[in-house]
Amino acid sequence: SQQGEEDPQALSIQEGENATMNCSYKTSINNLQWYRQNSGRGLVHLILIRSNEREKHSGRLRVTLDTSKKSSSLLITASRAADTASYFCATGTNAGKSTFGDGTTLTVKP
Amino acid sequence: DTAVSQTPKYLVTQMGNDKSIKCEQNLGHDTMYWYKQDSKKFLKIMFSYNNKELIINETVPNRFSPKSPDKAHLNLHINSLELGDSAVYFCASSRTSGNQPQHFGDGTRLSIL
Repeated sequence: SQQGEEDPQALSIQEGENATMNCSYKTSINNLQWYRQNSGRGLVHLILIRSNEREKHSGRLRVTLDTSKKSSSLLITASRAADTASYFCATGTNAGKSTFGDGTTLTVKP
Repeated sequence: DTAVSQTPKYLVTQMGNDKSIKCEQNLGHDTMYWYKQDSKKFLKIMFSYNNKELIINETVPNRFSPKSPDKAHLNLHINSLELGDSAVYFCASSRTSGNQPQHFGDGTRLSIL
């Protein structure tokens, strides 16, 4: 299986609700990144968290990292219809390569 | 003033043909990448170049040959196209190698008939 695996595969919520998606991985990492992909577009970098960090914020985004459990979560607060997209985690290793997970498809209903 | 641009956006061709996809970045980045995204959205790295030198070469058929004429360009040539090559191919760049944030192009959707 892949280095990064997102959970759930799909998530549907109402506008204004919070969305939480998780990423689990298997080997040691240097950092972990989250990306968003809108339909028909390329990935857009959202946030990077280093292996020695536990939490990071950017606007309505909050990312946590638990290296003991080899997992990360992305929380989007007060979601908007424009947040509808696929979200990917990417784990970076000492070899300098980032490996992407399968993604979580988020649908925010207006 | 698109940061990472790839052409063409769509490519429809017959099995057995040879085709190329071009990528250019105007961010001044040193490192560029090619990814393949299948119909289930699984994104797999194919190649990475740093300052025109190949640094990542995943298990990709040798029908795929990347070329980097300078650090702002990374092209992908595919020989003898097969049905399984149908996918969206993304070019990306980052400031340096080593797990840096990557900037992606909008993809080239390749369909093999």
